[in-house]
Amino acid sequence: AQSVTQLGSHVSVSEGALVLLRCNYSSSVPPYLFWYVQYPNQGLQLLLKYTTGATLVKGINGFEAEFKKSETSFHLTKPSAHMSDAAEYFCAVMVDGTNAGKSTFGDGTTLTVKP
Amino acid sequence: DSGVTQTPKHLITATGQRVTLRCSPRSGDLSVYWYQQSLDQGLQFLIQYYNGEERAKGNILERFSAQQFPDLHSELNLSSLELGDSALYFCASSVEGLAGELTVMNEQFFGPGTRLTVL
Repeated sequence: AQSVTQLGSHVSVSEGALVLLRCNYSSSVPPYLFWYVQYPNQGLQLLLKYTTGATLVKGINGFEAEFKKSETSFHLTKPSAHMSDAAEYFCAVMVDGTNAGKSTFGDGTTLTVKP
Repeated sequence: DSGVTQTPKHLITATGQRVTLRCSPRSGDLSVYWYQQSLDQGLQFLIQYYNGEERAKGNILERFSAQQFPDLHSELNLSSLELGDSALYFCASSVEGLAGELTVMNEQFFGPGTRLTVL
């Protein structure tokens, strides 16, 4: 069974500072990894995904994440935070197999951006 | 706009009652997923349907049931409601291959959610 751990339920950064949201996963088979963002009173929106190939994945809104198999990590970064980045971020893992549709989500990290 | 629609947006009901939440997936998506999001439990996967058949089951209570109809819309039925069932219920849809085969387009597109309040 797969699992996801997001380190830090709350992260606060200043506008213009580096954003780093941490995600570690556990999976017995090669995983598919996703980052989603949820703005207040909205559904989740895909930021980026890793399936196969290049381990550095670029997403929308200037975010990127790097798949590191040796560290079982898929941390989300953005060089310069913007006020509009304030939201909740979810890391998710999905593996192939009979329960292919079953994504496992982390508990979420709330990002606060200070002016 | 993800292309996934959910109705109603808000639902207020009493304990012991039964409600039905409705979801229409994106055009062309065969898979529908249901999630429950609450403050204490986070985002929990409930159940997935693929082309009318149950594909995967998560932390779904026996009081809850779902189905996917021939036109691919899905309904989540919640019965004997308890205060603890108050939550946001999300539906998501995706393109998916057969027999669990994943495609590179397998990200899930989420609807705006239904906020259920049980009083």
